[in-house]
Amino acid sequence: DQQVKQNSPSLSVQEGRISILNCDYTNSMFDYFLWYKKYPAEGPTFLISISSIKDKNEDGRFTVFLNKSAKHLSLHIVPSQPGDSAVYFCAARERDDKIIFGKGTRLHILP
Amino acid sequence: GAVVSQHPSRVICKSGTSVKIECRSLDFQATTMFWYRQFPKKSLMLMATSNEGSKATYEQGVEKDKFLINHASLTLSTLTVTSAHPEDSSFYICSAIGQDTGELFFGEGSRLTVL
Repeated sequence: DQQVKQNSPSLSVQEGRISILNCDYTNSMFDYFLWYKKYPAEGPTFLISISSIKDKNEDGRFTVFLNKSAKHLSLHIVPSQPGDSAVYFCAARERDDKIIFGKGTRLHILP
Repeated sequence: GAVVSQHPSRVICKSGTSVKIECRSLDFQATTMFWYRQFPKKSLMLMATSNEGSKATYEQGVEKDKFLINHASLTLSTLTVTSAHPEDSSFYICSAIGQDTGELFFGEGSRLTVL
Protein backbone atom coordinates (compact mmCIF):
# COMPACT_ATOMS: atom_id res chain seq x y z
CA ASP A 1 0.00 0.00 0.00
CA GLN A 2 1.32 3.40 -0.95
CA GLN A 3 2.47 5.49 1.96
CA VAL A 4 2.95 8.61 -0.15
CA LYS A 5 0.28 9.40 -2.69
CA GLN A 6 0.12 11.97 -5.43
CA ASN A 7 -3.35 11.48 -6.79
CA SER A 8 -3.04 13.82 -9.75
CA PRO A 9 -0.82 12.36 -12.44
CA SER A 10 -0.83 15.64 -14.34
CA LEU A 11 -1.75 19.29 -13.92
CA SER A 12 -1.94 22.17 -16.40
CA VAL A 13 -1.61 25.77 -15.24
CA GLN A 14 -1.51 29.05 -17.10
CA GLU A 15 1.78 30.91 -16.98
CA GLY A 16 1.74 33.50 -14.24
CA ARG A 17 -0.90 31.71 -12.19
CA ILE A 18 -0.41 29.61 -9.08
CA SER A 19 0.42 25.91 -9.39
CA ILE A 20 -0.67 23.74 -6.49
CA LEU A 21 0.65 20.20 -6.27
CA ASN A 22 -0.84 17.94 -3.66
CA CYS A 23 0.46 14.99 -1.72
CA ASP A 24 -1.11 12.75 0.91
CA TYR A 25 0.60 10.34 3.24
CA THR A 26 -0.46 7.61 5.60
CA ASN A 27 2.48 7.09 7.94
CA SER A 28 2.34 9.35 10.98
CA MET A 29 5.99 8.51 11.74
CA PHE A 30 7.28 10.55 8.83
CA ASP A 31 9.30 13.44 10.23
CA TYR A 32 10.44 15.21 7.10
CA PHE A 33 8.86 15.89 3.73
CA LEU A 34 10.55 16.80 0.50
CA TRP A 35 9.68 17.86 -3.01
CA TYR A 36 11.80 16.97 -6.00
CA LYS A 37 11.60 18.25 -9.55
CA LYS A 38 12.52 16.18 -12.56
CA TYR A 39 13.07 17.16 -16.16
CA PRO A 40 12.97 14.53 -18.94
CA ALA A 41 16.11 12.43 -19.21
CA GLU A 42 17.49 13.86 -15.97
CA GLY A 43 17.49 12.67 -12.40
CA PRO A 44 15.31 14.47 -9.88
CA THR A 45 16.68 17.52 -8.11
CA PHE A 46 15.81 18.63 -4.64
CA LEU A 47 13.42 21.57 -4.52
CA ILE A 48 12.19 22.28 -1.01
CA SER A 49 11.52 20.45 2.22
CA ILE A 50 9.64 20.84 5.46
CA SER A 51 10.04 19.37 8.90
CA SER A 52 7.03 17.77 10.51
CA ILE A 53 7.20 20.34 13.31
CA LYS A 54 6.42 23.15 10.91
CA ASP A 55 3.39 23.93 8.81
CA LYS A 56 4.94 26.16 6.18
CA ASN A 57 8.26 26.66 4.47
CA GLU A 58 8.88 29.24 1.81
CA ASP A 59 11.73 29.60 -0.66
CA GLY A 60 11.28 32.19 -3.35
CA ARG A 61 8.39 31.21 -5.59
CA PHE A 62 8.02 27.87 -3.85
CA THR A 63 6.07 27.29 -0.67
CA VAL A 64 5.29 23.99 0.95
CA PHE A 65 2.39 23.66 3.37
CA LEU A 66 1.98 20.78 5.79
CA ASN A 67 -1.29 19.79 7.43
CA LYS A 68 -0.38 17.02 9.85
CA SER A 69 -3.88 16.38 11.05
CA ALA A 70 -4.98 15.73 7.48
CA LYS A 71 -1.70 14.03 6.56
CA HIS A 72 -1.52 16.31 3.58
CA LEU A 73 1.08 18.57 2.08
CA SER A 74 1.06 20.82 -0.91
CA LEU A 75 3.61 22.67 -3.01
CA HIS A 76 2.65 26.10 -4.26
CA ILE A 77 4.50 27.72 -7.13
CA VAL A 78 3.67 31.33 -7.77
CA PRO A 79 3.91 32.80 -10.30
CA SER A 80 4.26 29.73 -12.50
CA GLN A 81 6.86 29.97 -15.23
CA PRO A 82 7.48 27.89 -18.39
CA GLY A 83 10.61 26.40 -16.84
CA ASP A 84 8.48 24.94 -14.07
CA SER A 85 7.08 22.37 -16.49
CA ALA A 86 8.42 19.11 -15.11
CA VAL A 87 7.46 16.12 -13.01
CA TYR A 88 7.27 16.82 -9.28
CA PHE A 89 7.81 14.09 -6.73
CA CYS A 90 6.63 14.29 -3.17
CA ALA A 91 8.71 12.29 -0.71
CA ALA A 92 8.64 11.58 2.99
CA ARG A 93 11.35 10.48 5.37
CA GLU A 94 10.99 7.92 8.05
CA ARG A 95 12.95 8.38 11.25
CA ASP A 96 15.65 5.97 10.08
CA ASP A 97 16.27 8.16 7.03
CA LYS A 98 14.46 5.93 4.55
CA ILE A 99 12.77 8.08 1.92
CA ILE A 100 9.48 7.06 0.38
CA PHE A 101 8.49 8.66 -2.92
CA GLY A 102 5.15 9.33 -4.50
CA LYS A 103 4.54 8.53 -8.14
CA GLY A 104 4.88 12.10 -9.29
CA THR A 105 2.70 14.77 -10.87
CA ARG A 106 3.49 16.15 -14.30
CA LEU A 107 3.06 19.92 -14.35
CA HIS A 108 2.45 21.67 -17.66
CA ILE A 109 2.75 25.44 -17.70
CA LEU A 110 0.68 26.82 -20.54
CA PRO A 111 1.71 29.99 -22.38
CA GLY B 1 1.39 -0.90 -9.78
CA ALA B 2 4.98 -0.75 -10.93
CA VAL B 3 7.50 -1.59 -8.26
CA VAL B 4 11.21 -1.07 -7.98
CA SER B 5 12.87 -3.27 -5.41
CA GLN B 6 16.26 -2.73 -3.83
CA HIS B 7 18.23 -5.40 -2.04
CA PRO B 8 19.55 -5.39 0.54
CA SER B 9 17.63 -2.67 2.33
CA ARG B 10 20.34 -2.49 4.96
CA VAL B 11 23.93 -3.66 4.88
CA ILE B 12 26.81 -3.30 7.30
CA CYS B 13 30.31 -4.05 6.16
CA LYS B 14 33.89 -3.64 7.24
CA SER B 15 36.12 -0.99 5.79
CA GLY B 16 37.94 -2.22 2.69
CA THR B 17 35.31 -4.70 1.61
CA SER B 18 33.00 -4.41 -1.39
CA VAL B 19 29.24 -4.31 -1.26
CA LYS B 20 26.76 -4.95 -4.05
CA ILE B 21 23.30 -3.39 -4.09
CA GLU B 22 20.67 -4.62 -6.51
CA CYS B 23 17.88 -2.63 -8.11
CA ARG B 24 15.12 -4.58 -9.81
CA SER B 25 12.05 -3.51 -11.71
CA LEU B 26 9.56 -6.15 -10.67
CA ASP B 27 6.77 -5.92 -13.21
CA PHE B 28 8.11 -3.74 -15.96
CA GLN B 29 11.15 -3.40 -18.15
CA ALA B 30 13.44 -0.49 -17.57
CA THR B 31 15.92 0.56 -20.18
CA THR B 32 17.21 3.31 -17.94
CA MET B 33 17.91 3.24 -14.23
CA PHE B 34 19.35 5.95 -12.03
CA TRP B 35 21.45 5.65 -8.91
CA TYR B 36 21.41 8.33 -6.23
CA ARG B 37 23.09 8.96 -2.93
CA GLN B 38 21.30 10.75 -0.15
CA PHE B 39 23.23 13.39 1.69
CA PRO B 40 22.68 14.66 5.25
CA LYS B 41 20.75 17.72 4.15
CA LYS B 42 18.21 15.37 2.63
CA SER B 43 19.10 16.12 -0.94
CA LEU B 44 19.55 13.36 -3.47
CA MET B 45 22.66 13.41 -5.56
CA LEU B 46 22.47 11.68 -8.90
CA MET B 47 25.48 9.41 -9.17
CA ALA B 48 24.99 7.78 -12.53
CA THR B 49 22.58 6.87 -15.26
CA SER B 50 22.53 3.22 -16.17
CA ASN B 51 21.36 2.04 -19.58
CA GLU B 52 20.78 -1.62 -20.31
CA GLY B 53 23.59 -3.18 -22.25
CA SER B 54 25.89 -0.18 -22.18
CA LYS B 55 28.27 1.54 -19.82
CA ALA B 56 26.83 3.76 -17.16
CA THR B 57 27.13 7.52 -17.46
CA TYR B 58 28.59 8.95 -14.29
CA GLU B 59 27.99 12.44 -12.95
CA GLN B 60 30.93 14.71 -12.42
CA GLY B 61 32.79 13.96 -9.23
CA VAL B 62 31.59 10.36 -8.92
CA GLU B 63 34.43 7.83 -9.01
CA LYS B 64 33.70 5.23 -11.67
CA ASP B 65 36.15 2.72 -10.25
CA LYS B 66 34.72 3.01 -6.78
CA PHE B 67 31.05 2.85 -7.66
CA LEU B 68 30.69 0.13 -10.27
CA ILE B 69 27.35 0.05 -12.02
CA ASN B 70 26.14 -2.79 -14.17
CA HIS B 71 22.82 -2.94 -16.02
CA ALA B 72 22.89 -6.42 -17.42
CA SER B 73 19.20 -6.84 -18.14
CA LEU B 74 16.05 -4.79 -18.60
CA THR B 75 15.03 -5.52 -15.02
CA LEU B 76 18.25 -5.40 -13.04
CA SER B 77 20.94 -2.87 -12.30
CA THR B 78 23.60 -3.29 -9.64
CA LEU B 79 25.75 -0.81 -7.77
CA THR B 80 28.95 -2.16 -6.25
CA VAL B 81 30.75 0.01 -3.74
CA THR B 82 34.33 -1.19 -3.91
CA SER B 83 36.81 -0.90 -1.07
CA ALA B 84 34.20 0.78 1.06
CA HIS B 85 35.20 3.36 3.64
CA PRO B 86 33.21 4.88 6.48
CA GLU B 87 32.60 8.02 4.43
CA ASP B 88 30.73 5.87 1.92
CA SER B 89 28.12 5.18 4.57
CA SER B 90 24.91 6.57 3.19
CA PHE B 91 21.52 5.82 1.80
CA TYR B 92 21.61 4.73 -1.85
CA ILE B 93 18.45 4.94 -3.93
CA CYS B 94 17.72 3.72 -7.42
CA SER B 95 14.96 4.65 -9.80
CA ALA B 96 13.84 3.16 -13.08
CA ILE B 97 12.04 4.47 -16.14
CA GLY B 98 9.33 2.19 -17.45
CA GLN B 99 10.10 1.23 -21.03
CA ASP B 100 6.47 1.43 -22.10
CA THR B 101 5.16 4.37 -20.11
CA GLY B 102 8.24 6.47 -19.52
CA GLU B 103 7.23 6.92 -15.89
CA LEU B 104 9.87 7.08 -13.19
CA PHE B 105 9.62 4.79 -10.19
CA PHE B 106 11.82 4.84 -7.11
CA GLY B 107 13.17 2.02 -5.03
CA GLU B 108 12.98 2.28 -1.27
CA GLY B 109 16.69 2.68 -0.85
CA SER B 110 19.55 0.73 0.67
CA ARG B 111 21.32 1.91 3.79
CA LEU B 112 25.03 1.18 3.76
CA THR B 113 27.02 1.40 6.96
CA VAL B 114 30.77 0.94 6.71
CA LEU B 115 32.51 0.23 9.99
